[in-house]
Parts: sequence; C-alpha cells; structure tokens
Amino acid sequence: QVQLQESGPGLVKPSETLSLTCSVSGGSISEYYWSWIRQPPGKGLEWIGYIFNSGSTDYNPSLNSRVTISLDSSKNQFSLKLSSVTAADTAVYYCARVSGTSFGSLYFDFWGQGSLVTVSS
Amino acid sequence: SYDLTQPPSVSVSPGQTASITCSGDNLGDKYAFWYQQRPGQSPVLVMYQDSKRPSGIPERFSGSNSGSTATLTISGTQAMDEADYYCQAWDSSTVVFGGGTKLTVL
Repeated sequence: QVQLQESGPGLVKPSETLSLTCSVSGGSISEYYWSWIRQPPGKGLEWIGYIFNSGSTDYNPSLNSRVTISLDSSKNQFSLKLSSVTAADTAVYYCARVSGTSFGSLYFDFWGQGSLVTVSS
Repeated sequence: SYDLTQPPSVSVSPGQTASITCSGDNLGDKYAFWYQQRPGQSPVLVMYQDSKRPSGIPERFSGSNSGSTATLTISGTQAMDEADYYCQAWDSSTVVFGGGTKLTVL
C-alpha cells in the first residue's frame, strides 16, 4: 500500500516562498505521476499542479507564475515551491498520486494526510 | 475556464438514496471523478471514470455521467457516509474540482 507524507514549515511570512516535500513509501516514485492540491480553511479543493515521472510539469494557470514542482527519484520524494505568498495561500496542502492512462482519465487515488501552512507575519 | 457546479448541501434519511450532482458544459463528453472527505480527513477517491468503484468502496456507491451532469448515487445511505463530496474533471491538461457538496444524513 503506497503512503504519502507531507513535510515542511507550518508558518511562512508574506512575500516569502512556501516549500513542502512529499515522501512516498510503498512504491517507486518513478512509476507514476504526482500532484499537489490545496484546501483553504473551510473551503473546497484547488489543484496546484502535477509532475510526470519524466520530470515534465503542468500547473494551475491561476498559480502558474509562482509554482514549481520537482522530483527527486533518489529520495522517492517530490516537492512544491510557491513563491510570493500572501494570506490567501493559507491552506492545507495535500500531495497525491495520479493514476490512469491518459489525460482526461487520470485521477488521484492516494493522498497524504495534509500539511497546514499558515501565511502570517 | 471550465467550471463544475455542485449543490452546497444534500440531506438524506438513513437507508434512503442520496444523489449528488455535478454540472459542467458537456461534462458527459469527459470523465467525472468523485472524492469523499470526512471532517478532518484527507479526500478519498470513491468513483473514477464516471462509474468505476475503487477497491474497498462499498457497492452502494454508484456513478453516472451524461449530457452536462454527472451524478454520484449512494443507495441505502449510512451515517458513515456523511461527508463532503467533490467532483472533478479535466479541462484539456488541467484539473478542475467542483465546489463540493455537504451530505447530511439525518
């Protein structure tokens, strides 16, 4: 059974960069695609982006200029960086595994427990 | 941008059938996916590619998708099904989530 675990600072100052890492166990990170999704307190889910096992990425257009997702196969981890954060970026950040065979049919079948990141001075 | 619309809330009595809808432009031409999120927990995939149940999801969960509406149906609803439900689809290469529906079992 694959397991995902987010880690990183729980508090980030405005204008700084949010950094989170997702550690994957129970399977090789090289065999699937991976994604980040966030949920502001009391609100719905927002997709941030995903990374293919080749290293190529795609991001939510609303966050595109501030987001970077990267892969470290040697550590079986992938990471999220979100720059120039504001209070609006306060959310629970989830990492998830992407399964399926092609665009349009891909889905998130395993999720991490989530990491609350608060943006505040 | 592509939008998915869900009713904010649905109520159902125990043992009855709950239907949660998700509407989007020509959604029936795409696959719909559904996630359940109980309070304080991470989302769980309960339906993929319109009507396929992942391993471990009870048979009382079923899904359909036609025209502009996808529907998640829970037959014989139980108290443990009380949760937020989110639909999801793809718009080209990007992911779209619906706003979520709070299912209350009372």
